[in-house]
Amino acid sequence: GAVVSQHPSWVICKSGTSVKIECRSLDFQATTMFWYRQFPKQSLMLMATSNEGSKATYEQGVEKDKFLINHASLTLSTLTVTSAHPEDSSFYICSARIRGQLAGPVGGQFFGPGTRLTVL
Amino acid sequence: AQSVSQHNHHVILSEAASLELGCNYSYGGTVNLFWYVQYPGQHLQLLLKYFSGDPLVKGIKGFEAEFIKSKFSFNLRKPSVQWSDTAEYFCAVILSYNTDKLIFGTGTRLQVFP
Repeated sequence: GAVVSQHPSWVICKSGTSVKIECRSLDFQATTMFWYRQFPKQSLMLMATSNEGSKATYEQGVEKDKFLINHASLTLSTLTVTSAHPEDSSFYICSARIRGQLAGPVGGQFFGPGTRLTVL
Repeated sequence: AQSVSQHNHHVILSEAASLELGCNYSYGGTVNLFWYVQYPGQHLQLLLKYFSGDPLVKGIKGFEAEFIKSKFSFNLRKPSVQWSDTAEYFCAVILSYNTDKLIFGTGTRLQVFP
């Protein structure tokens, strides 16, 4: 149980275009999902917390107008990279917290397999 | 700023060798500590976690980790690795009980040869 999927698994796009990445909880409902970003040989960095039916909470330094997050249902959150540039090339990973679990380390997060974005 | 350090970036072992991966964090308060594993082509999975109590934590697949508060460390160990342990290992911390914000280390790539 507690499976999270991401689509696509990899995407190549031209500079200036927008790319949408989906994160789905397959066998549970998730009121809260998280988006991480990982540069090569660097750690995963939390970008934003996505809450179903409300605005996402972005970490300091993350441009909310560039990384649009929509959490329209209890099983789907999307991250749209708008006007992508080569420096946005990275590995984007989502995770989800099971609905009803309290915030914090006890409940835990379940991770998706990640999406590799390459901007040419 | 709070950070997590994993000093071993790439570890190569033969099967049956013992493993110890280092993890240090920089934060003086109470922490919750995690080790995640990412097998090739798969998602991050939780290996083990420490909140409180016995500082020696046992996880899945024969892994264990020891929290040494005085050293700000949470090293991962396994007495005898297998080829199937080949993966990327990430140490992470959460700084309080009311947040999900995981602070990750840079990861250690483990390769185990038969």
